[in-house]
Amino acid sequence: KQEVTQIPAALSVPEGENLVLNCSFTDSAIYNLQWFRQDPGKGLTSLLLIQSSQREQTSGRLNASLDKSSGRSTLYIAASQPGDSATYLCAGAGAGSYQLTFGKGTKLSVIP
Amino acid sequence: DAGVIQSPRHEVTEMGQEVTLRCKPISGHDYLFWYRQTMMRGLELLIYFNNNVPIDDSGMPEDRFSAKMPNASFSTLKIQPSEPRDSAVYFCASSLSPTGTGELFFGEGSRLTVL
Repeated sequence: KQEVTQIPAALSVPEGENLVLNCSFTDSAIYNLQWFRQDPGKGLTSLLLIQSSQREQTSGRLNASLDKSSGRSTLYIAASQPGDSATYLCAGAGAGSYQLTFGKGTKLSVIP
Repeated sequence: DAGVIQSPRHEVTEMGQEVTLRCKPISGHDYLFWYRQTMMRGLELLIYFNNNVPIDDSGMPEDRFSAKMPNASFSTLKIQPSEPRDSAVYFCASSLSPTGTGELFFGEGSRLTVL
């Protein structure tokens, strides 16, 4: 069964800093990996989806990478802004499952 | 499209009462998912439907939980009888494809508190 871990659970950075959020998974036969954002009291919003045949995806200031051999994914946020403050969750779909297993998320605070 | 719509947003009930959570997926999405989120366990998949048919309910914790999808635009998750440990945020999500391939769209959740 796929297990997804995100460390640290919380992160605080000053505005303007570039930062990296980490995600690790146990099943290297991952089908895809998705990054989500969750604001307090809200649902999850999909940010980036990386298929198993891809190594990275970019959207604006966000870049996500996938390294299946090491069981890791990273979400890079450039020039962080206070509006980026939220909880970021990664989720992996194991081959043959088509179901997402979620990490518990990293709560990001960007300090003005 | 208004996105995935869930109701109620908040529900407070007493132990033993029946709880019904409702979801309207995005029109045209063939897949509907029910998740539960708690601090301890994070986000867990309870059940998912494809074309209104339940495909995998292995995440449903107990027989007290049941889910239905009578048509393509409506689904319910019922807990009967409810217990304090059922307190959580329940999310509904929909997708055009299995989550292995496509983007997943979430509703804003139903926060359940069982006293």
